[in-house]
This record gives sequence, structure tokens and C-alpha cells, in this order.
Amino acid sequence: GAVVSQHPSWVICKSGTSVKIECRSLDFQATTMFWYRQFPKQSLMLMATSNEGSKATYEQGVEKDKFLINHASLTLSTLTVTSAHPEDSSFYICSARDLRASGGRSTDTQYFGPGTRLTVL
Amino acid sequence: KQEVTQIPAALSVPEGENLVLNCSFTDSAIYNLQWFRQDPGKGLTSLLLIQSSQREQTSGRLNASLDKSSGRSTLYIAASQPGDSATYLCAVDFNKFYFGSGTKLNVKP
Repeated sequence: GAVVSQHPSWVICKSGTSVKIECRSLDFQATTMFWYRQFPKQSLMLMATSNEGSKATYEQGVEKDKFLINHASLTLSTLTVTSAHPEDSSFYICSARDLRASGGRSTDTQYFGPGTRLTVL
Repeated sequence: KQEVTQIPAALSVPEGENLVLNCSFTDSAIYNLQWFRQDPGKGLTSLLLIQSSQREQTSGRLNASLDKSSGRSTLYIAASQPGDSATYLCAVDFNKFYFGSGTKLNVKP
């Protein structure tokens, strides 16, 4: 299956600093990628939809100025947590939508990255 | 707003039992439904993907069914093993994924 990578896999930073997380689709092009956040003992919550070449769409309650998303190419989306605080500590997971055609049929499958664990001290 | 619900929230069974995990969703207009496994502190492992046009998918001891009209999916695990212990997440694609809160499974040796 398709592979989606995330970098870094974990990061520890001081309060007030900014952290950038990368999400890459390794063997397919993804016009749409998604960013999720998972707090301890909770499920994944969609934060935003990242669209290549246009602005991201944020879910209700997610601050767009705090969580900057850039989808600069068809294989890369980045999430920057600006002025991070301890309450931003979480597990961040991205996914990429694969819309390739195969054998005359189109597929629409999302592949998930391995996640990035952010700890803000 | 789309909602995905999973029951039970937690399940503890002896090894060898057959299990059924349930997932329900509020809107039948879905693209697909996917079951994931998540081990503590780890990312997601995709188990089964059921496209909107399909009714079930099987992989080894796992079988997932989909009934769009009733907004339900079940994950059936046959002959459970201690290695199956994990949290199982149901995710429904309404053009973007919404996740259930998960079922935490503990299979006792």
C-alpha cells in the first residue's frame, strides 16, 4: 500500500517556541491531506484539511493562526504549531488522500502517517 | 455534524473467544469506512477498508461488515489472542474522516 511519512516522530520544545511537522506521501501525489490531533486516552480529532495550492480548511474550534498549514507541493504538507504551550502537547497524525486510477477503476483511500508526538515543556 | 460511536468502550475477554466490535454513524452518505488498530503510544495500523459499494471485507481472523442504510459496521475477531490487545478505532469517510472513540480490547492469556 501507499506510504505516508511524518517527520519528526517526536519532538520536545520549550513553551513559546514554534514547531514544524512534515507529512509526505512517498509514492503518490496527494492534492488533499488531513491533520489530526489525539490527546491521551482520547480518539483522533480532525483539525484541518490541507489543499495543495490553496488555503487550508480548519475545523470549528481550531485556531488557524496557531496551527499554520502549508501544502506547498503534491507530496508535502506541513503543520506549524506557533508559540507552543504545554496544552498543545499531543499526538499529531496526518493522512493523505490517494485518488489514483487503477485497472480502469478509481480509488479513494486515505493513508495515515505514523504520527508525531509533541511535548511542550 | 457527523458522529461516529463505538461500543463497547472497553472489553476484556479470555483468549480464544470470538468478538464483535460495533460502530455506528449518523449519515449514510459515506465514501468508505475503515477499521484501525492502535497500540499504546503508537500510530494507526489499518486493518480493513470497506468501500461504500461493499458490504464486507475479510483479512485473516478479521471480518468487517458495513450496512450503510442502518449506519452500522461491525468488526468480528475470531479466536482472539493476547496479541490482539489494543484499541480498535472505526473511522468513517464523509469526504473527511471522523473517528469513533475506540474500543479498548484486552485479551487475557
